[in-house]
Amino acid sequence: LAKTTQPISMDSYEGQEVNITCSHNNIATNDYITWYQQFPSQGPRFIIQGYKTKVTNEVASLFIPADRKSSTLSLPRVSLSDTAVYYCLVGDKTGGSYIPTFGRGTSLIVHP
Amino acid sequence: DAGVTQSPTHLIKTRGQQVTLRCSPKSGHDTVSWYQQALGQGPQFIFQYYEEEERQRGNFPDRFSGHQYPNYSSELNVNALLLGDSALYLCASSFQGNYEQYFGPGTRLTVT
Repeated sequence: LAKTTQPISMDSYEGQEVNITCSHNNIATNDYITWYQQFPSQGPRFIIQGYKTKVTNEVASLFIPADRKSSTLSLPRVSLSDTAVYYCLVGDKTGGSYIPTFGRGTSLIVHP
Repeated sequence: DAGVTQSPTHLIKTRGQQVTLRCSPKSGHDTVSWYQQALGQGPQFIFQYYEEEERQRGNFPDRFSGHQYPNYSSELNVNALLLGDSALYLCASSFQGNYEQYFGPGTRLTVT
């Protein structure tokens, strides 16, 4: 059973705000929500992580409702360089270590 | 500060051969994980090393083995290569298995 569900692809235009929503209905109490970004032929890059409510950093914001069954990654004013695959992950430090479990991600294409 | 480095960048092997891939973690990190990423798929967890021991393992056959050295660098060995082993192999490092993991650029392995 997949731990997360997210759209396969999204399109946007430069300067727009992009919101990618991830569904994780079976999230466990100890699970954290983490988002990674991956460009072609490169390793994934950590973007943001949260447990509840809202988290913001210099790159993105992460919105998590009270029931934690979904989360939304918000990218403000995207540019062409934000074209990438975005992965939503949930998990905890089972056995003392966090093992990111990736799905297929959301392929975001930003158009001029 | 160098991030995660991997070598070689690309590799071509013949079916049945053996291959060794290498990874140097980000400075200050002690945990190394290996992933296999097929084209169009998300990275799949192979195993994780901490304190020179395999701490967790994903659903990969025994043909996949690894090692971690006292300086925290790591190797991934694959024996009896199959065509299906062709993929991008990613190394990720973290401090004590924390949520924020840093990925290397990967090694592109092609098995012919």
